[in-house]
Amino acid sequence: EAAVTQSPRSKVAVTGGKVTLSCHQTNNHDYMYWYRQDTGHGLRLIHYSYVADSTEKGDIPDGYKASRPSQENFSLILELASLSQTAVYFCASSDGGNYAEQFFGPGTRLTVL
Amino acid sequence: QQKVQQSPESLTVSEGAMASLNCTFSDGTSNNFRWYRQHSAKGLEVLVSIFSDGEKEEGRFTAHLNRANLHVSLHIREPQPSDSAVYLCAVGYGSSGNKLIFGIGTLLSVKP
Repeated sequence: EAAVTQSPRSKVAVTGGKVTLSCHQTNNHDYMYWYRQDTGHGLRLIHYSYVADSTEKGDIPDGYKASRPSQENFSLILELASLSQTAVYFCASSDGGNYAEQFFGPGTRLTVL
Repeated sequence: QQKVQQSPESLTVSEGAMASLNCTFSDGTSNNFRWYRQHSAKGLEVLVSIFSDGEKEEGRFTAHLNRANLHVSLHIREPQPSDSAVYLCAVGYGSSGNKLIFGIGTLLSVKP
């Protein structure tokens, strides 16, 4: 019944490899977001999207790409994974209204070795 | 850009005692403030959303917002051991206020 799901839940990747994190929502929301959470930092916005086939840069987009092929799906792509991208990644969705509440997925723990 | 800081970093309270958490921000023009709870290895659960100065209560959770003082707090009435978690303050920004800046969080431990 979870409205925002993420896959995989955890992943170990090698430096320089390509990593794709996936997010799926059943909330019928227009907006979707990708955040990363690191020790010593709050969640930081990487990319977001307000409509299918369009993505926007957040506060820390360098080293990441995003893809929104449909309203329900939003992917985060690390073309060349680096050690500094080891973190927990959260996806969220919200409707398009002002101050709309964001609903978060359970997170993906990514370790880059 | 908006900066969000939370205090204390960690807090231990006894079951049934009031727990108070603080959050300060640098830009008082935002109208979107939220408190989330994060249990270990799980996603975020929104507790209270507040959009204007004053108080907002959701069950045992009450938020107080004072934008002039750049401060929003969360008070947890009668905390239980199951409330032990990290509590995150988030402040909205952007034209629709939907992008969020988060604090690092306060780790709350509730002892029986």
